[in-house]
Amino acid sequence: AQSVTQLDSHVSVSEGTPVLLRCNYSSSYSPSLFWYVQHPNKGLQLLLKYTSAATLVKGINGFEAEFKKSETSFHLTKPSAHMSDAAEYFCVVNQGGGFKTIFGAGTRLFVKA
Amino acid sequence: EPEVTQTPSHQVTQMGQEVILRCVPISNHLYFYWYRQILGQKVEFLVSFYNNEISEKSEIFDDQFSVERPDGSNFTLKIRSTKLEDSAMYFCASSSAGGNYNEQFFGPGTRLTVL
Repeated sequence: AQSVTQLDSHVSVSEGTPVLLRCNYSSSYSPSLFWYVQHPNKGLQLLLKYTSAATLVKGINGFEAEFKKSETSFHLTKPSAHMSDAAEYFCVVNQGGGFKTIFGAGTRLFVKA
Repeated sequence: EPEVTQTPSHQVTQMGQEVILRCVPISNHLYFYWYRQILGQKVEFLVSFYNNEISEKSEIFDDQFSVERPDGSNFTLKIRSTKLEDSAMYFCASSSAGGNYNEQFFGPGTRLTVL
């Protein structure tokens, strides 16, 4: 069975410092992996996606993630946090061959001035 | 930039009543989805819809739930007789193609409160 584990429910960083949001997955198939962000009262916005073309994936707003098959991880990083990055972040795995999409529990990112 | 819209943003209903949640997917998209998120819990897949029929559904999507695309633009989720445990945020999503590599575009959600 597919699953996604986001290792931190909350992460707090200072503005200008690096961000690391951790995600581990399990999948029987070659997975597709996504990171979405949700700002308050907004829908889920795609940050980036892994589709087997390259292990290092660059997304919007300076975010990137690296797919590591040996560690079954897909951690999200950003070199320098901005106040506008404060939001909830979801790691998502899409089961191979189907439409079912499995969400992680989410990580809330706080950015301090 | 095209986006998925959902109405209403917040719906309050009495237990046992029927509710219809509405979504307008992105216009050239062909695949449609509903998810829900109970407060404090994970986002859960409910159902996917393509070519005017359900493609897949989860165990949550029982006989109390139904979906339809009544007029070629709206995509609705109906809950026939609401229960307290149906209180959740419901997200609609659409994608231009199916399969596991295709990005789903999500709407802002409808918060359903069942009293």
